Amino acid sequence: QKEVEQDPGPLSVPEGAIVSLNCTYSNSAFQYFMWYRQYSRKGPELLMYTYSSGNKEDGRFTAQVDKSSKYISLFIRDSQPSDSATYLCAMSRPGANSKLTFGKGITLSVRP
Amino acid sequence: EPEVTQTPSHQVTQMGQEVILRCVPISNHLYFYWYRQILGQKVEFLVSFYNNEISEKSEIFDDQFSVERPDGSNFTLKIRSTKLEDSAMYFCASSEGDRGMWETQYFGPGTRLLVL
Repeated sequence: QKEVEQDPGPLSVPEGAIVSLNCTYSNSAFQYFMWYRQYSRKGPELLMYTYSSGNKEDGRFTAQVDKSSKYISLFIRDSQPSDSATYLCAMSRPGANSKLTFGKGITLSVRP
Repeated sequence: EPEVTQTPSHQVTQMGQEVILRCVPISNHLYFYWYRQILGQKVEFLVSFYNNEISEKSEIFDDQFSVERPDGSNFTLKIRSTKLEDSAMYFCASSEGDRGMWETQYFGPGTRLLVL
């Protein structure tokens, strides 16, 4: 079983839709969970992070973690064309310089 | 806003040649990383570096790879004898190093390496 699996894409939605992006993981040592956004020809940029089960909201974005099910999600409300990008889930063990383990990424396209 | 920079943006090399990829981490950061992403695949960890030493390396980071902080600002990844399968986007990242159990890793824009 792969350490981190991310729902395959690509995903195309109309503007204003609610988007749900999901990842599962197998390694119980992961305690920090991140969502990175990557635009074409750019490096990954941290969108949100969390370390506890439950929801964390930031504007139109909500990160959800369920450690018991080893499942994380990112919800995007009122999606905009500017949200079109590749979204990567990433996880790490505790530790200031712990490596990130990424999902494969999903490319989201929001149609005007 | 401070950012991680990488040079060159693209590099084409012949198999067996040495390449050096350069990164300038954010100036007050203490932890440095290299990741790579083969086309269509996941971003994969290569190595982390702190206090002039490798902290952790993956199985990908074999004897053909080395890292160095030659001065106070640059962080380099050297591939001694490139193989076709080294073709990938290479990302440098850095983090502050003083926040305890977890820190944001800031990524550069990447160097696209093509080995012919």
